Amino acid sequence: KAGVTQTPRYLIKTRGQQVTLSCSPISGHRSVSWYQQTPGQGLQFLFEYFSETQRNKGNFPGRFSGRQFSNSRSEMNVSTLELGDSALYLCASSLESPTYDEQYFGPGTRLTVT
Amino acid sequence: AQSVTQLGSHVSVSEGALVLLRCNYSSSVPPYLFWYVQYPNQGLQLLLKYTSAATLVKGINGFEAEFKKSETSFHLTKPSAHMSDAAEYFCAVSGGTSYGKLTFGQGTILTVHP
Repeated sequence: KAGVTQTPRYLIKTRGQQVTLSCSPISGHRSVSWYQQTPGQGLQFLFEYFSETQRNKGNFPGRFSGRQFSNSRSEMNVSTLELGDSALYLCASSLESPTYDEQYFGPGTRLTVT
Repeated sequence: AQSVTQLGSHVSVSEGALVLLRCNYSSSVPPYLFWYVQYPNQGLQLLLKYTSAATLVKGINGFEAEFKKSETSFHLTKPSAHMSDAAEYFCAVSGGTSYGKLTFGQGTILTVHP
């Protein structure tokens, strides 16, 4: 069974631009979560989607948004990029719930904002 | 709010020595606890999870962790370190106020010397 895939793997953007990251979960998994990883703040939860609905959201500004499609694929969007948005963005999928089901992580998208 | 504390941001052991990575959690309800490993430029891989079925949890690659409610701890151990164990390890909790997401510790970088 194929793992979680994320595209693109690397991205360089300029301050003020916007970016869209994509995540394809493991087949059959309906929950997709997004995390931001930085050296200073560590791993922080962004949001979680299930059946095209956002079920949970972390403490990030409204510039960070996401969506999920009917095939469970998910995208996250960051508008008006800031230097502090430079990070590794990780997507994780699970069968039903990230609380008690195993979450499987993708390799991440490394975003650099200049 | 749920939180996780990993004692020691860096741990160094010799090949063949015992690996002990410490994790303490705070939770007002029985939590779900996880250990993940991250190799350079990769996503997170689940090592093991605790879901109250048994206090001693065995995971992949020879790792195990023991849930001690009285100490609110979930330390990760491996009897004999291998060079390939060198990576960053994350303890995470879900459930309670972390329902629907994982709350991660700051991570412990494990170095294995020959």
